Amino acid sequence: GAGVSQSPSNKVTEKGKDVELRCDPISGHTALYWYRQSLGQGLEFLIYFQGNSAPDKSGLPSDRFSAERTGGSVSTLTIQRTQQEDSAVYLCASSPGTRGTGELFFGEGSRLTVL
Amino acid sequence: DAKTTQPNSMESNEEEPVHLPCNHSTISGTDYIHWYRQLPSQGPEYVIHGLTSNVNNRMASLAIAEDRKSSTLILHRATLRDAAVYYCILRDRTSGGYQKVTFGTGTKLQVIP
Repeated sequence: GAGVSQSPSNKVTEKGKDVELRCDPISGHTALYWYRQSLGQGLEFLIYFQGNSAPDKSGLPSDRFSAERTGGSVSTLTIQRTQQEDSAVYLCASSPGTRGTGELFFGEGSRLTVL
Repeated sequence: DAKTTQPNSMESNEEEPVHLPCNHSTISGTDYIHWYRQLPSQGPEYVIHGLTSNVNNRMASLAIAEDRKSSTLILHRATLRDAAVYYCILRDRTSGGYQKVTFGTGTKLQVIP
């Protein structure tokens, strides 16, 4: 596609359920990032991928959060046993990953509501 | 990763110029200065970037201090569509896209009709 695609755009779940959020980066972009944005707050870094590997997982809030990327393309962010404080917009961004300016291209986000 | 500091909020009258400041006193010689903006209910979008010299594009201008410890994003004529949160970040040019990228809380710009 022309841009970064995220799905679902909206997800409502019950506390304790697992959720998967998907990110399709721009074709050919080797760097991929996940952020979380709570209502009225700034962007909280979660994790980034260089190809299929994640050099820095320090931003993941707890061991309930995990992310993977396969084939150097699609990435999935999984939240297990969701809690109400997980409610937020989850944003994905991709970048060409080559030496250069490192411009980030963001998707529209997945809004997660945990009841 | 080097940090940036920005005012939490600013106001501007429509069709007036807006100067959005950013301090990055710990910037390294290999850091690009990037600006993004986030419109309501959307993901952030790239606005402009620079290294040492001032830069202009169709969206805005970027003025970089001689010592590079601060920069200013300039919107020449603010419109209602420019109401957004503006983020200033640093990107190490030696690592390309492969690096942790942190955003601060940005500056929320309100444009008054």
